Amino acid sequence: QQQVKQSPQSLIVQKGGISIINCAYENTAFDYFPWYQQFPGKGPALLIAIRPDVSEKKEGRFTISFNKSAKQFSLHIMDSQPGDSATYFCAARMGNQFYFGTGTSLTVIP
Amino acid sequence: IAGITQAPTSQILAAGRRMTLRCTQDMRHNAMYWYRQDLGLGLRLIHYSNTAGTTGKGEVPDGYSVSRANTDDFPLTLASAVPSQTSVYFCASSDSPGANVLTFGAGSRLTVL
Repeated sequence: QQQVKQSPQSLIVQKGGISIINCAYENTAFDYFPWYQQFPGKGPALLIAIRPDVSEKKEGRFTISFNKSAKQFSLHIMDSQPGDSATYFCAARMGNQFYFGTGTSLTVIP
Repeated sequence: IAGITQAPTSQILAAGRRMTLRCTQDMRHNAMYWYRQDLGLGLRLIHYSNTAGTTGKGEVPDGYSVSRANTDDFPLTLASAVPSQTSVYFCASSDSPGANVLTFGAGSRLTVL
């Protein structure tokens, strides 16, 4: 059973557009919600993260929006660039374990 | 460059054979993890170690074993490989159990025929 549900599975966006990836969870014991970015042939790397007591976190072109009551959080990539083309994973932490979403393959077309 | 080294990068293995994936970190992180990545399933935790000398089971531990004899090394062993273990395996570490940041290795692609 997938603890963290992620959508869409793939996404194609024009350069300069906004990319939006959504995640949902059920377990209220999760206390930390990171996003990881993975380029082909590489391991995932932490991109941005948020705690559940914050509704939004922005770092450059990347923003996490967090809706605690709906148990949903999303990643927004503003002014998407071809270099953002990668696979993105949302995750949620409970105790000392992270549970990952199924991943979204983002392609930004020049 | 500090980080995680995984070996081999890629391996094709006959079913029934024994295989050990190696993972070494030089960051002196206490916690280490093994994940498998499968299309449509994301990253799933196989086994973890909170500190040297201890290990624990993750979401999908069956068919795998680990050991943590020292801080730096965390090998993953498939005692008798099966085709369903075809996957990309990632080793990760964090400075403490449940810390905010996981550092991942580059992965080991394993094909079991």
